[in-house]
Amino acid sequence: GQSLEQPSEVTAVEGAIVQINCTYQTSGFYGLSWYQQHDGGAPTFLSYNGLDGLEETGRFSSFLSRSDSYGYLLLQELQMKDSASYFCAVTVQTGANNLFFGTGTRLTVIP
Amino acid sequence: GAGVSQSPSNKVTEKGKDVELRCDPISGHTALYWYRQRLGQGLEFLIYFQGNSAPDKSGLPSDRFSAERTGESVSTLTIQRTQQEDSAVYLCATSLAGGLGNIQYFGAGTRLSVL
Repeated sequence: GQSLEQPSEVTAVEGAIVQINCTYQTSGFYGLSWYQQHDGGAPTFLSYNGLDGLEETGRFSSFLSRSDSYGYLLLQELQMKDSASYFCAVTVQTGANNLFFGTGTRLTVIP
Repeated sequence: GAGVSQSPSNKVTEKGKDVELRCDPISGHTALYWYRQRLGQGLEFLIYFQGNSAPDKSGLPSDRFSAERTGESVSTLTIQRTQQEDSAVYLCATSLAGGLGNIQYFGAGTRLSVL
């Protein structure tokens, strides 16, 4: 089976930088994704790491280390609108359904 | 369509009634997924369709839950004899194909409340 761990809650100050970690245990690992979900909204795709290293998209970056079964999402220059839940998800090569989500990290940005 | 559309957006029902939830995918997306999300919780996988076939139904919690997809398009999730523990947001997602690394695009969900 798949197991993903991420902190349940994180609080950070507007303008600061925050890192949300995700560790996973799975067979047939292929890649790591991040999704954002605002309260009452639909999850939306943020980033995908298929290879080790850092992927940058504007204020958001995502990192993957396959050898450590670890990744993180880095949010810079935090804005109030970044308050949301962030889910990491592993793509696996086994089985018909191949995307499995973590339980999510609720980020609260405070003034 | 422009995005994944789910209906109804909210559904209140009485315990024991049947409900049908609908998902209209993005045009051309062959893969379709249903998830359940309880309040403040993560995404619980229910079922995956590739075309009209469901190669993975492993997440359906009981035989009260069923889903179908027709015309490689619309999907309906049916919950029979609803129970209070079925109260949750039911999310549908679609992707261009069911392969590795494909991005899933989510609808806004149906919020189901069973009284």
